[in-house]
Formats: sequence, structure tokens, C-alpha cells
Amino acid sequence: NAGVMQNPRHLVRRRGQEARLRCSPMKGHSHVYWYRQLPEEGLKFMVYLQKENIIDESGMPKERFSAEFPKEGPSILRIQQVVRGDSAAYFCASSSGTGGGYEQYFGPGTRLTVT
Amino acid sequence: GENVEQHPSTLSVQEGDSAVIKCTYSDSASNYFPWYKQELGKGPQLIIDIRSNVGEKKDQRIAVTLNKTAKHFSLHITETQPEDSAVYFCAASSRDSNYQLIWGAGTKLIIKP
Repeated sequence: NAGVMQNPRHLVRRRGQEARLRCSPMKGHSHVYWYRQLPEEGLKFMVYLQKENIIDESGMPKERFSAEFPKEGPSILRIQQVVRGDSAAYFCASSSGTGGGYEQYFGPGTRLTVT
Repeated sequence: GENVEQHPSTLSVQEGDSAVIKCTYSDSASNYFPWYKQELGKGPQLIIDIRSNVGEKKDQRIAVTLNKTAKHFSLHITETQPEDSAVYFCAASSRDSNYQLIWGAGTKLIIKP
């Protein structure tokens, strides 16, 4: 049973380019969460999605950032016109969202470096 | 707003000794409390969780206790080993959504040989 998959694991972008991060949830999971983590810091919630719906994007900057979870395929976190401050580890987690289940299972993360 | 406080931020213990990490939550409606372990360069891993209808849960060397009246819960690791060195995060379920978690700031656990 494959876990949460994220790719790429490492991504280098120059300032002004676009970064596209992908997340495939665990089999049977229809809820996806994106988090951002700076070195030596905690997890900062960005966005919570279900298939074809954004449930809560209160943690995501209004500009340059967007997320989607289409009916088919992985969830995508897109960062347009990246700046140095976007450099961080981005983690995706998934849950089944059923039976009162809150368990979130994390992927290995994508480490974004903006040069 | 809802928040979770976690202490200490760093904990250093001798190998073989016990380690205790404590969290306090603010939302009395929270009813799910997981603990995650994050090793360097990896994603957080769920290691144990507890629901509000239970006061304690054990899994081998780790245990979690919950005091709903005081709104705090703790992670206990006994007979610590070098591989326990990591950052540990606590979390509590959010009143606003059944499926979101409010996170503590993390505790860096260092096991001294």
C-alpha cells in the first residue's frame, strides 16, 4: 500500500519562475493538506482540499499561490513568480476523511530552493 | 483563536532514560490528539494518537496521556534509544472542521549516548 507520494523531492527555481509541486494521496484518501516548513521551524498550514474543491485556503498567500485537486490525477501546489522567501520544504498530507478520522499521513516533502 | 502550546522546545536526555513532552490546547471541543515524529530530511510520521474518550494509550515504548479537564496531553518515551532523536510535534483537532489539526511548535529530542 503506497504511502503519500510527492514529486519532485528537490526543486530549484530562479526568481520569477514558476514552481509546481505534486502530491498523490494514499490510496482511498480523498482529503489533501499542504503545509510549509522553514528550517528549524514547525508546520504552517496552507490549504485543505477535497477532490475538485478547496475547503480552506486560509493559510495560503492570496497572491502567486494556488492549489488544486482535480478529479483525476495528483494535487498540485503552484507558486508563480517565485521569490527567495518561498524557499522552504513543502509537505503534503492525506486523510480518508471518513469515520471521524483525522489521521493525516505525510509525504516526504518537496524542498524548494529559489536562487 | 485556537492554539496548541508545546514544551519544552528542546529536550536532551541520556540514552535509556525517559522523555516527556507536554502539550496544552485551548479548544474544549478538540477530541483527537496525534503525535508525529519528524526525522531530519523526512516528512512527519504519525507515531501514536489518542481520542477524548480514552485517558491513556500505549504502544511499546511510547505512551500518550490525556487530561481533558486540564486540556493537556503528554507523550512519554521510555528506555530512549539513539533512533528516538528527532523533532516531535503534537496536534489537536479543530472545532471548525472535523478534519483539520492545530499544531504545536515542536520539540527537538536529543538522546545523548
